[in-house]
Amino acid sequence: GAGVSQSPSNKVTEKGKDVELRCDPISGHTALYWYRQSLGQGLEFLIYFQGNSAPDKSGLPSDRFSAERTGGSVSTLTIQRTQQEDSAVYLCASSFSYGNEQFFGPGTRLTVL
Amino acid sequence: GENVEQHPSTLSVQEGDSAVIKCTYSDSASNYFPWYKQELGKRPQLIIDIRSNVGEKKDQRIAVTLNKTAKHFSLHITETQPEDSAVYFCAADNNNDMRFGAGTRLTVKP
Repeated sequence: GAGVSQSPSNKVTEKGKDVELRCDPISGHTALYWYRQSLGQGLEFLIYFQGNSAPDKSGLPSDRFSAERTGGSVSTLTIQRTQQEDSAVYLCASSFSYGNEQFFGPGTRLTVL
Repeated sequence: GENVEQHPSTLSVQEGDSAVIKCTYSDSASNYFPWYKQELGKRPQLIIDIRSNVGEKKDQRIAVTLNKTAKHFSLHITETQPEDSAVYFCAADNNNDMRFGAGTRLTVKP
C-alpha cells in the first residue's frame, strides 16, 4: 500500500517568507509526527498528533512554527518568517496509534536563502 | 523532559565482526525504545524495538537489550555485512514525545 508522502520534496525560499509543508500519513494511522533533521545531524522531535489533537507543542523550536491536522489525516507544518537556521530536512512519520512503529515519509528539504 | 545520549558517534568494524551501540536515557517514565537505520539520503526505518517490560529482544542478527535500572539500552549487530553500513539512531518514548540519540555512523569494511 501507499506509504507516507510529503510535499514538496524540495523547497527553496527567501528569508522572511512563510512556507507550508504537507504530510499525508498512511491511511488508518491515527498518530502523526513531525521531525527536523539538519545536515548530518540527528532527528529533532517537533510535535505529534493523536487524531487531530497535539497534546504537547513544546517541541516546536519557536512561535514561528505551527502545525495542524484536520480530518485525522493530512497535516501541515507552517513556518512563518523563515530564517536561515530553519534550513533542514523536515520528516513526517505516522503510526497505527501512538507508541507503535513509525513509518517515515521521504522528507521535505527546506533551504532558506 | 527526556534526554537521550548515544555512543559511539562513529564505529568502524570489519565484515563479520560484531557492532555494539549504546544509549542512555534520563526519564524513568520512558517505556518504548526503537532503533532506526538511516542509509545515506534515505528515510529512517525501524529495525528493532523493545518495550520496558522486556529485557532483551532478538531478530536474526540484531538484538537489543534494556536495563531499566541503569536507564540504558544497547543495539547488537552480529556477523556484520557491508550493507549494514548506515547511521543508526536510538530513541526513547515517554508517552509524550520521542527523543532520538544523535546517531552512530557504522561502517562495515569488506
